[in-house]
Amino acid sequence: GQQLNQSPQSMFIQEGEDVSMNCTSSSIFNTWLWYKQDPGEGPVLLIALYKAGELTSNGRLTAQFGITRKDSFLNISASIPSDVGIYFCAGQKGGNQGGKLIFGQGTELSVKP
Amino acid sequence: KAGVTQTPRYLIKTRGQQVTLSCSPISGHRSVSWYQQTPGQGLQFLFEYFSETQRNKGNFPGRFSGRQFSNSRSEMNVSTLELGDSALYLCASTRDRGIGEQYFGPGTRLTVT
Repeated sequence: GQQLNQSPQSMFIQEGEDVSMNCTSSSIFNTWLWYKQDPGEGPVLLIALYKAGELTSNGRLTAQFGITRKDSFLNISASIPSDVGIYFCAGQKGGNQGGKLIFGQGTELSVKP
Repeated sequence: KAGVTQTPRYLIKTRGQQVTLSCSPISGHRSVSWYQQTPGQGLQFLFEYFSETQRNKGNFPGRFSGRQFSNSRSEMNVSTLELGDSALYLCASTRDRGIGEQYFGPGTRLTVT
């Protein structure tokens, strides 16, 4: 099935560093959502974006909805060990596709204390 | 407010059997979507239900089916299980139909032997 192009696939960083990951697509989306998943659990919603150009923060997390509506990025500032996990972007087109989410492949984040 | 609950959390079945998974959405949420997560294919959309009607379906064979009850609770069924059906099955709830924030449950880990 269709997937978004998410990069990087994995990151190994030192505690305190900033992190940036992004998602791109060849088609337009009306909503971008960012999730974090811990092993054996379901994805947890971090940030939802609804407008092109929108920049939204949630604590140390900041995400932006690209102007072209074909991309989005997520930044994590001053990483801490509990940031470890897999981060997924997901897009929704709406319309006749309803709430269907199309996911990226995920970015696995490792944080070294 | 309680989150999305899924039962059972773990299940082991044999090829050829069938299985039913259950999902209770967040109170007040009326839309339920189902996703399959595997290491190879990532997160793939199965179907979306709203007002007891299937509104959208992903690219999965007819062995995969679901339904939604009047209290918004949902079940999905997989018949004639195959080894490739081994996956984490995730349910997500949304307040209304269409675009919006989806909140995931912890998932049901299905292993087919």
